[in-house]
Amino acid sequence: NAGVTQTPKFRVLKTGQSMTLLCAQDMNHEYMYWYRQDPGMGLRLIHYSVGEGTTAKGEVPDGYNVSRLKKQNFLLGLESAAPSQTSVYFCASSGNTGELFFGEGSRLTVL
Amino acid sequence: TQLLEQSPQFLSIQEGENLTVYCNSSSVFSSLQWYRQEPGEGPVLLVTVVTGGEVKKLKRLTFQFGDARKDSSLHITAAQTGDTGLYLCAGVAGNQFYFGTGTSLTVIP
Repeated sequence: NAGVTQTPKFRVLKTGQSMTLLCAQDMNHEYMYWYRQDPGMGLRLIHYSVGEGTTAKGEVPDGYNVSRLKKQNFLLGLESAAPSQTSVYFCASSGNTGELFFGEGSRLTVL
Repeated sequence: TQLLEQSPQFLSIQEGENLTVYCNSSSVFSSLQWYRQEPGEGPVLLVTVVTGGEVKKLKRLTFQFGDARKDSSLHITAAQTGDTGLYLCAGVAGNQFYFGTGTSLTVIP
């Protein structure tokens, strides 16, 4: 009963390094989302996808790229990490019910 | 741009007290959702309200959607320590979910 799985759960990067966060869902959902959560700011949408092979920008897309080559996977990439990208990242998926199912989060620290 | 503002941002109350959390926006949404998040976990859906003026009750939690479908409130009666967590409202527009700033609730035994 996995639902939405995010890897890695923790990562420390140096400024300028790159990394990829992986999100996998086993519910056959069409929609997938990447959010970042910062204190006092709730959840802000980075990028989202409405189906395999499609991606779109959200509220705060700068500095991030995404890919959805397979329906069950949604990857979030940081090409050149900056301290401002220190945050907790959440992946979510949604199907026909309109409910968002979230992963447990990935905590990223950029030094 | 934060479309939804929640108040208060922090709330600390004694067990057994009542409380209300507000979620306000200048935008109209097709529906509004409330999520609860515990430390180290992702948010979990509590309720979806769809119709302006709608009131939904889940045990001690009462959710209301404003008549104009721009705002919502969450009322908890006789709070328990298990209610402690971060409460997030989310306005739904198509396949987009816009989250509020969050209310961190601590219920003290």
